[in-house]
Amino acid sequence: DAKTTQPNSMESNEEEPVHLPCNHSTISGTDYIHWYRQLPSQGPEYVIHGLTSNVNNRMASLAIAEDRKSSTLILHRATLRDAAVYYCILYGGTSYGKLTFGQGTILTVHP
Amino acid sequence: NAGVTQTPKFRILKIGQSMTLQCTQDMNHNYMYWYRQDPGMGLKLIYYSVGAGITDKGEVPNGYNVSRSTTEDFPLRLELAAPSQTSVYFCASAASDKGTDTQYFGPGTRLTVL
Repeated sequence: DAKTTQPNSMESNEEEPVHLPCNHSTISGTDYIHWYRQLPSQGPEYVIHGLTSNVNNRMASLAIAEDRKSSTLILHRATLRDAAVYYCILYGGTSYGKLTFGQGTILTVHP
Repeated sequence: NAGVTQTPKFRILKIGQSMTLQCTQDMNHNYMYWYRQDPGMGLKLIYYSVGAGITDKGEVPNGYNVSRSTTEDFPLRLELAAPSQTSVYFCASAASDKGTDTQYFGPGTRLTVL
């Protein structure tokens, strides 16, 4: 399975932008980059995904490097509700429908 | 739509007891999954199903069994519960295994084996 590497933790202040990095140097051409987050005591929830181009949705933006070996999840204005564990996962091409969760990045948001 | 629902929310078992964790989805998804999450760790796949009547093992299947008789339901059976099975269990579903699809997760079942 293709692996991803994320920092263990990051901190931000409320209403400031947050950039969460992810490295995936062994990504295959058919792997999509997915981001999920897990709020305290809840199941994971989908955030965003992309293949090659940058993507935006109501929750976040995803910036994908040109060589696809890294990506960055961008929360434009962090709120206290964004405090969660964020998982970067490669999905689709070589994962055969299985999500492989690493330890993710614990995001702390300060008031 | 209720999405993915799981019952019970909490359960305490004694060593050697058995139980079934229930999972139901109302999105007509073919793919369903069971994960477990130990404290401070990411989720690990136990079993998955690509459609009614078809199941397969994930990363950590030992001590568990599943069945998929309908599209909606995917129960997880624990036989002879052990303390190592103390964990939070999440069920998920997806329309397909394509990279453009996403998985939808239930709220989880917190299981303690004493």
